[in-house]
Amino acid sequence: EAQVTQNPRYLITVTGKKLTVTCSQNMNHEYMSWYRQDPGLGLRQIYYSMNVEVTDKGDVPEGYKVSRKEKRNFPLILESPSPNQTSLYFCATGEGSPLHFGNGTRLTVT
Amino acid sequence: GENVEQHPSTLSVQEGDSAVIKCTYSDSASNYFPWYKQELGKGPQLIIDIRSNVGEKKDQRIAVTLNKTAKHFSLHITETQPEDSAVYFCASRRWSSNTGKLIFGQGTTLQVKP
Repeated sequence: EAQVTQNPRYLITVTGKKLTVTCSQNMNHEYMSWYRQDPGLGLRQIYYSMNVEVTDKGDVPEGYKVSRKEKRNFPLILESPSPNQTSLYFCATGEGSPLHFGNGTRLTVT
Repeated sequence: GENVEQHPSTLSVQEGDSAVIKCTYSDSASNYFPWYKQELGKGPQLIIDIRSNVGEKKDQRIAVTLNKTAKHFSLHITETQPEDSAVYFCASRRWSSNTGKLIFGQGTTLQVKP
């Protein structure tokens, strides 16, 4: 079964404490991406990766890092989280259409 | 920059009625327009899409129409059912390669009342 697995599903943390949200896909896709979803703003792209070791900024990359050391994994790293990064995060992968999304990570930064 | 405007932000209909969600895009080079449905606690899932060489596409109770001149496209759901309740996102994309960026609308929360 085609899957995009994100962990954790829920995370509450404090300002400045580094965290990583993991994303793994079993579809052998080259393209992976991270989005954040905020009320009234829809889905906004944070970073994307077109292949291993190839990453690029999306529309809202500030405060985030990513890495793509292997095809199946694309972790999202918040080096020093701030309250404005409280959001619902989605990892996605796809070749052409459609994009396959994970089930999301709800992050709260206090 | 490129953007997609989606309306309404919330929509409440009675079971059996129709629902229409509208989107307007800014990039005239966009040629691919998908619609995603997001159920509670899940990620968005593609439900229907349309390319710019087609004016309308149907799949059972859902249909999408595209007006390239006006740069807008709409999702139509007929005979709505409670399981249609979800958040719906439209998106647009330049299909020049399989890595073209999707630009999403703001989302519409659809509530179907039994």
